[in-house]
Amino acid sequence: EDQVTQSPEALRLQEGESSSLNCSYTVSGLRGLFWYRQDPGKGPEFLFTLYSAGEEKEKERLKATLTKKESFLHITAPKPEDSATYLCAVRGYSSASKIIFGSGTRLSIRP
Amino acid sequence: DTGVSQDPRHKITKRGQNVTFRCDPISEHNRLYWYRQTLGQGPEFLTYFQNEAQLEKSRLLSDRFSAERPKGSFSTLEIQRTEQGDSAMYLCASSSGLRDLDNEQFFGPGTRLTVL
Repeated sequence: EDQVTQSPEALRLQEGESSSLNCSYTVSGLRGLFWYRQDPGKGPEFLFTLYSAGEEKEKERLKATLTKKESFLHITAPKPEDSATYLCAVRGYSSASKIIFGSGTRLSIRP
Repeated sequence: DTGVSQDPRHKITKRGQNVTFRCDPISEHNRLYWYRQTLGQGPEFLTYFQNEAQLEKSRLLSDRFSAERPKGSFSTLEIQRTEQGDSAMYLCASSSGLRDLDNEQFFGPGTRLTVL
């Protein structure tokens, strides 16, 4: 069964303090790994899709990387507005459509 | 606004009542998804439509839940005889389905359901 585990559950950083969020996954053939950002009371906002090991994508202070077993979301010199829950999800060949989400990492950036 | 929209944003109901939610996807998207999210968890897949056809349903979707997309545009999700355990955020997402991999799903703001 496809599964996604994210760590840590919560992370508090000082403004400017870089760190990484982890997403470990098991899937029957990876069709895509996704990162979303979710603010309280809102729907998830799409950030990145990664397809194969070794792939990297960047957007502002965020960079996502992918290996055969896990993905990292690196955040460089974060600002308070980066505070949110970051969700990782995978899509495998066992399903034509659905994606399986992890429970997320709640990131808090102190000014 | 050309994003996914959902209505209502909030719904409070009494146990045993029926509720219906609506989702309007991004206009050129032919694929539509429903998810449920409880506090501290990621979204859980409920069901998926390609155009008007419902192609996949989760075992989480009990007989009290039904979803439709009659003309391949907007979709409705109905919950009959609501229970307190149905309290959650119900999220709708859409994607273009133009490529075989068909990946990026874009989410609406959600409907928060509270069952008293």
